[in-house]
Amino acid sequence: VQLVESGGGLVQPGKSLKLSCSASGFTFSSYGMHWIRQAPGKGLDWVAYISSSSGTVYADAVKGRFTISRDNAKNTLYLQLNSLKSEDTAIYYCARSLMDYYSSPFAYWGQGTLVTVSS
Amino acid sequence: DTVLTQSPALAVSPGERVTISCRASESVSTLMHWYQQKPGQQPTLLIYLASNLESGVPARFSGSGSGTDFTLTIDPVEADDTATYYCQQSWNDPPTFGAGTKLELK
Repeated sequence: VQLVESGGGLVQPGKSLKLSCSASGFTFSSYGMHWIRQAPGKGLDWVAYISSSSGTVYADAVKGRFTISRDNAKNTLYLQLNSLKSEDTAIYYCARSLMDYYSSPFAYWGQGTLVTVSS
Repeated sequence: DTVLTQSPALAVSPGERVTISCRASESVSTLMHWYQQKPGQQPTLLIYLASNLESGVPARFSGSGSGTDFTLTIDPVEADDTATYYCQQSWNDPPTFGAGTKLELK
C-alpha cells in the first residue's frame, strides 16, 4: 500500500487549494478514505471521510468549506479547501481505512503535504 | 466530541515495561486504536479495537481496556520506541485523537 499526497503550499487567507492523494498497491475503489491533519507541533485532527460508494462525512471545523472526493479510475483521493483560514495551516495526511467502514481505524497513511495559510 | 486524555510525557530506560494510558470522556466500547508517530514521519497503526496487534507490529506492543479506560503497554521498551503515541476512538462521531504521549528513553 502506498499513498502519496501532493498539492500543498503557501496560500493567502480566503483563497482555495486542492490536495491530491495518489493510491497504489490495493484496490482503491473498495476502501473508505480519510483526510487527517496535524498543525505544526500539535496533535492529530480528523478532517473528512469518503466511503467506497462516495458517501461523505466532515468535521464541523471544515464543513461547508472543504470537499472530499475520489476518482476511482485514477486511484486518486482529493480534498478541495476553500475559504482557507490561518487555523487550517497543517500537514494534511490521507489515510486508508483498515476495513471498508467509517469507524475502521486508519491503517495506512501517506507522508503528508503541508498547507500554510498566511498573508 | 469525545475527549481523550493522555499523559503528556514519559521517560523510561531500555528494557523496562511502560504503560501509556488513555481515558475517554464517554464510553467508546472497544473502538480504541493506538498509533506511533516518530519525529518527521507519518503515524503508523499499532493496535486496533483496543487489543488487536496490527500486522508487522512487534509483539512487545499490546493494548487493553474497554469503555473509558485504555492502556498501551510496551514490554520491553527499546531505543527505537522513542516516539509520540496517540490513542484514537471511532465509536462516537466524529473520530477523535488524544493529544499524544511523548515517550523518551533515558
